[in-house]
Amino acid sequence: GAVVSQHPSRVICKSGTSVKIECRSLDFQATTMFWYRQFPKQSLMLMATSNEGSKATYEQGVEKDKFLINHASLTLSTLTVTSAHPEDSSFYICSARPDGTQYFGPGTRLLVL
Amino acid sequence: GQQLNQSPQSMFIQEGEDVSMNCTSSSIFNTWLWYKQEPGEGPVLLIALYKAGELTSNGRLTAQFGITRKDSFLNISASIPSDVGIYFCAGPTDSWGKLQFGAGTQVVVTP
Repeated sequence: GAVVSQHPSRVICKSGTSVKIECRSLDFQATTMFWYRQFPKQSLMLMATSNEGSKATYEQGVEKDKFLINHASLTLSTLTVTSAHPEDSSFYICSARPDGTQYFGPGTRLLVL
Repeated sequence: GQQLNQSPQSMFIQEGEDVSMNCTSSSIFNTWLWYKQEPGEGPVLLIALYKAGELTSNGRLTAQFGITRKDSFLNISASIPSDVGIYFCAGPTDSWGKLQFGAGTQVVVTP
């Protein structure tokens, strides 16, 4: 199957700082990538759809100015959590669908102190 | 919007036993997907179902796409310790691939 990677795998930051998470497609090109968030013991919730060369589309209730998404190339999408607060602590997972099947990255654990 | 109801929430079983879980939806899905997630990892696709009534196997896993297109089940036969994890059903909510996930079924297998 297709390989999606994420970096970093985990990050701890102070409240008020910004954190950037990278999502890369390693063996395919992705014009569209998806960003999910998963709180402990909960399911994955779609945050936004990242579109190469255009603006991301956000799900209802997700603040676009807080969760900045940049899809600058066909293999890289970044999610920046701006002015992070403890309630932003979560597991962030990206995915892409190169062949009709959606493949997920390994996730990034964010802890905001 | 579409909601997926997944049950049971958790299962504690002995090694060798079979496991069954299901998902139901308030509306029709054209595709049903079953994923497994292990702690600290992203979900991994187990089985994809594309046709109503379809029954598909992947090793000890079997999944079916309900005739009404509003439900699906996943069976794991002869469970082993490495089957431990959270199993999610999911379905696309648009043609671009946005997925709606069920709440997940946590499976714990004891020796």
